[in-house]
Amino acid sequence: QKEVEQNSGPLSVPEGAIASLNCTYSDRVSQSFFWYRQYSGKSPELIMSIYSNGDKEDGRFTAQLNKASQYVSLLIRDSQPSDSATYLCALLGGADGLTFGKGTHLIIQP
Amino acid sequence: GAGVSQSPSNKVTEKGKDVELRCDPISGHTALYWYRQSLGQGLEFLIYFQGNSAPDKSGLPSDRFSAERTGGSVSTLTIQRTQQEDSAVYLCASSLVELAYEQYFGPGTRLTVT
Repeated sequence: QKEVEQNSGPLSVPEGAIASLNCTYSDRVSQSFFWYRQYSGKSPELIMSIYSNGDKEDGRFTAQLNKASQYVSLLIRDSQPSDSATYLCALLGGADGLTFGKGTHLIIQP
Repeated sequence: GAGVSQSPSNKVTEKGKDVELRCDPISGHTALYWYRQSLGQGLEFLIYFQGNSAPDKSGLPSDRFSAERTGGSVSTLTIQRTQQEDSAVYLCASSLVELAYEQYFGPGTRLTVT
């Protein structure tokens, strides 16, 4: 049984600061990890994928993966009010669908 | 290009009725997934189609749920004898098989069973 744990929040961050979102998982065979952003009433939107240990940067977003610690994180630099959303961590460990965490609600304060 | 489309966007049905939900994946995507998201809950995987292979039905919550995919493209999720606990947003996603990891979601169908 794959489990993905996230702090539900809300996580409140001032505009312009770095938002740090964390996720732990239980399944050691998981190889692929994803961060989705979900605005209220909308469907999830893929923002980052990471497959190997270390950091992966894309614009203001950096995903970090540590398979030994079973930990994946998402950093958002120069946070904007439009970044306010629920961020879902997900993993793919086999020939089936993604296993999602319940998400962290992020609020960027202007 | 066009993204994943789903219909209807909203469906209200009476308990005990059958419903059909439709998903049209991104053109060229051969893998298709169904999930559901209940209020305050995370996304729950339901079923997965890859190309013309038999679907992975391991996530279907009961035998009242079934899905098919015709011609390797459009998929229909059918819920028979709906129950109130079936009320949720049903989300469809698709991906290129070669990039099976990166799934792109449709707008969802909000199902309300009264």
